Amino acid sequence: DAKTTQPNSMESNEEEPVHLPCNHSTISGTDYIHWYRQLPSQGPEYVIHGLTSNVNNRMASLAIAEDRKSSTLILHRATLRDAAVYYCILRDVDFGNEKLTFGTGTRLTIIP
Amino acid sequence: GAGVSQSPSNKVTEKGKDVELRCDPISGHTALYWYRQSLGQGLEFLIYFQGNSAPDKSGLPSDRFSAERTGGSVSTLTIQRTQQEDSAVYLCASSPRFANTGELFFGEGSRLTVL
Repeated sequence: DAKTTQPNSMESNEEEPVHLPCNHSTISGTDYIHWYRQLPSQGPEYVIHGLTSNVNNRMASLAIAEDRKSSTLILHRATLRDAAVYYCILRDVDFGNEKLTFGTGTRLTIIP
Repeated sequence: GAGVSQSPSNKVTEKGKDVELRCDPISGHTALYWYRQSLGQGLEFLIYFQGNSAPDKSGLPSDRFSAERTGGSVSTLTIQRTQQEDSAVYLCASSPRFANTGELFFGEGSRLTVL
């Protein structure tokens, strides 16, 4: 299984940008990089995903390194509602098989 | 627009009893996933369905765990002879297509407590 490594926790001030890093040095050529976040007492929710190029959506931006061995989720202006556990995950595929393996994620604390 | 629905939301049972957890995916979603999350931990993959078929059951923790999906829709996760270490939140997710191009939609989870 391709693994991801994230810091256990990060803090950021409200209304400032947040850069959440993820290392995935064993990523394979067809693995997609997905980010999800889990608010307290809720199921995870999708944030963004990409393959090679940087991606933007209304929630965040995803910057992918040229060698694809790392990526960074960027929250442009953090709010208190962004406090959550953020998971960086890779598609792990065998022919006829499909699973997304989550690690322990990064717990993001937003300081008012 | 209903999302992924899971029931029961909370279940307290005695050690040794069987429990069934139900997942209603979003209509039309062909892929369905079960995860387990113990207190303060990340998500542990259990099983994945494409339609009614589960190609990979290796994530199930023991032979006390089983899952089925009928009609390409509702899925049931069954835990027989529950143990205290089975206590966790069981999360279900569905996807309209393979997860490399699409997103997973998660339910709120079923919290299982085994006394």
